[in-house]
Amino acid sequence: QVQLVQSGAEVRKPGASVKVSCKASGYTFTSYDINWVRQATGQGLEWMGWMNPNSGNTGYAQKFQGRVTMTRNTSLSTAYMEVTSLRSEDTAVYYCARGSYGASGRLDLWGQGTLVTVSS
Amino acid sequence: EIVLTQSPGTLSLSPGERATLSCRASRSVSSSFLVWYQQKPGQAPRLLIYGASSRATGIPDRFSGSGSGTDFTLTISRLEPEDFAVYYCQQYGISPWAFGQGTKVEIK
Repeated sequence: QVQLVQSGAEVRKPGASVKVSCKASGYTFTSYDINWVRQATGQGLEWMGWMNPNSGNTGYAQKFQGRVTMTRNTSLSTAYMEVTSLRSEDTAVYYCARGSYGASGRLDLWGQGTLVTVSS
Repeated sequence: EIVLTQSPGTLSLSPGERATLSCRASRSVSSSFLVWYQQKPGQAPRLLIYGASSRATGIPDRFSGSGSGTDFTLTISRLEPEDFAVYYCQQYGISPWAFGQGTKVEIK
């Protein structure tokens, strides 16, 4: 079954960091880019960046440059997204999403989402 | 940076009616890089339309997309109960990829 399965909900204090995982199965992990998108409660979708699991190359939205790091472990077919210096505005559901073959920004497979709550 | 503006914010319609959703870009977007998603409460988005007008796998033909340049449209020809959801357009031609703010299609 082709799917992305994300890690469970997290609670962090302001200033802390969080690392969310996204495990791919049912397809060749290194053949498709992984994007990360977040959604605050009741709000729209916000693209954060992409990663090529084969090369490890990344591209981040300017808003997240320096505070977000996307990595992968190819032997585990798992992508990771770490956010540092968390603030309350980072409270959101974080999704990983696969970019279509040859069309990285076309998101054809999504994880179930991981709720990250930032609260003191 | 491209900004996508969707209208209306909310569309109140009855099952069986036609829904027309608009997505306007702040500057021209190649239609090859314009997509639409559907999101239901508590679920991840689902790819509906890519290349402005091509249906993704498994999407019924009551969904159609059109447009070019700065103006794009998603049409649902006859609303089914399962179509009441939020719809987002997205461009990925120019980084950063951008989403519209969404149009909620609700039952009247």
